[in-house]
Amino acid sequence: SQQGEEDPQALSIQEGENATMNCSYKTSINNLQWYRQNSGRGLVHLILIRSNEREKHSGRLRVTLDTSKKSSSLLITASRAADTASYFCATDVRSGNTPLVFGKGTRLSVIA
Amino acid sequence: DAGVTQSPTHLIKTRGQQVTLRCSPKSGHDTVSWYQQALGQGPQFIFQYYEEEERQRGNFPDRFSGHQFPNYSSELNVNALLLGDSALYLCASSLRGQGVRSPLHFGNGTRLTVT
Repeated sequence: SQQGEEDPQALSIQEGENATMNCSYKTSINNLQWYRQNSGRGLVHLILIRSNEREKHSGRLRVTLDTSKKSSSLLITASRAADTASYFCATDVRSGNTPLVFGKGTRLSVIA
Repeated sequence: DAGVTQSPTHLIKTRGQQVTLRCSPKSGHDTVSWYQQALGQGPQFIFQYYEEEERQRGNFPDRFSGHQFPNYSSELNVNALLLGDSALYLCASSLRGQGVRSPLHFGNGTRLTVT
């Protein structure tokens, strides 16, 4: 079953604009991770935010986490054509020894 | 530093056949997880291997089985293939000592087509 759900399903922006993707989840988590997947390739880990953190930065990436709303957002600033990919959130559920559960992803297209 | 490698990259099989996919984890990693990703969907967890044993399993039938070797490499076997098994099969490795929740390193996958 899908624990995380990304929103929107697809996003198209111009190069240089900011892109924001959201992730909602259902149960308490230890951490939440964001991954990127270029077409037909494997996933690449971008950033991990722990349940006791509210915001984290990595280069042009900014991730926020609101555990009260069970939601997270990924902001990519000054987007580039090379950012075109699918972005997935993955939740590490707190209860039990469960594997990372991925959402269905947001397909981002950055138009040059 | 070699990353996660998977073979083959593409595979075409007929319904009812059996398939074996292979994965070598990133150097220094000891845990291998397998995911199935249908077109347009997120990866679905199949199972995870550590110390040559299946430690966790997702909601997949017994037709899906695996193995981990002493060098940490792993195989995914699927018997009695169905059309619905067509997908990208992703292998991901991690280091258990960093915690079960450490980030996963993925290979580029094996694209399986069942006709």
